[in-house]
Amino acid sequence: EDQVTQSPEALRLQEGESSSLNCSYTVSGLRGLFWYRQDPGKGPEFLFTLYSAGEEKEKERLKATLTKKESFLHITAPKPEDSATYLCAVQAPQGGSEKLVFGKGTKLTVNP
Amino acid sequence: DAGVIQSPRHEVTEMGQEVTLRCKPISGHDYLFWYRQTMMRGLELLIYFNNNVPIDDSGMPEDRFSAKMPNASFSTLKIQPSEPRDSAVYFCASSFLVNEQYFGPGTRLTVT
Repeated sequence: EDQVTQSPEALRLQEGESSSLNCSYTVSGLRGLFWYRQDPGKGPEFLFTLYSAGEEKEKERLKATLTKKESFLHITAPKPEDSATYLCAVQAPQGGSEKLVFGKGTKLTVNP
Repeated sequence: DAGVIQSPRHEVTEMGQEVTLRCKPISGHDYLFWYRQTMMRGLELLIYFNNNVPIDDSGMPEDRFSAKMPNASFSTLKIQPSEPRDSAVYFCASSFLVNEQYFGPGTRLTVT
């Protein structure tokens, strides 16, 4: 069963057109939710950690928010260089493991 | 710091051959992770180490896969014998904290 579901799978925006990516999760005992960015041919790059419902984090044009069931990554006035795949991951320790479980990502394309 | 170093970057091999992937983590990081990424299944954790000790290997597909971390600066992931379904991008990541992981550039494995 999927613990982390991201939507949409792909999103195309025009430069300056704001939007949001969704990450819903079905784990108990959430320790943290994480956003990563992955450029083609590269490994994922850490963006944010969110620990509790109501928390928000910002970085340039990106803002991540967290509720008890989902997280949103808001992109304000995106630029072509924001094009990438955005991955969400959750950490819910089980049996001594602190591993992260990743969603399949949202591929964002921002056209000039 | 050079970041996480993986070798080789590309590997093409025939079914049945042994494949060894190598990783040098960032100096000072206590955690090391091996992931596999495919279009179908996304980014999946295979195994992770803490202070050179394997903590969670529940993601290792089967006995054909093995991973070692003989010291704090080196790890290997071995597949023997390799099969076409093992074709994927394999990432190594390291971290001081479990959640803020730094990924290497990946090894693209093709098994024919």
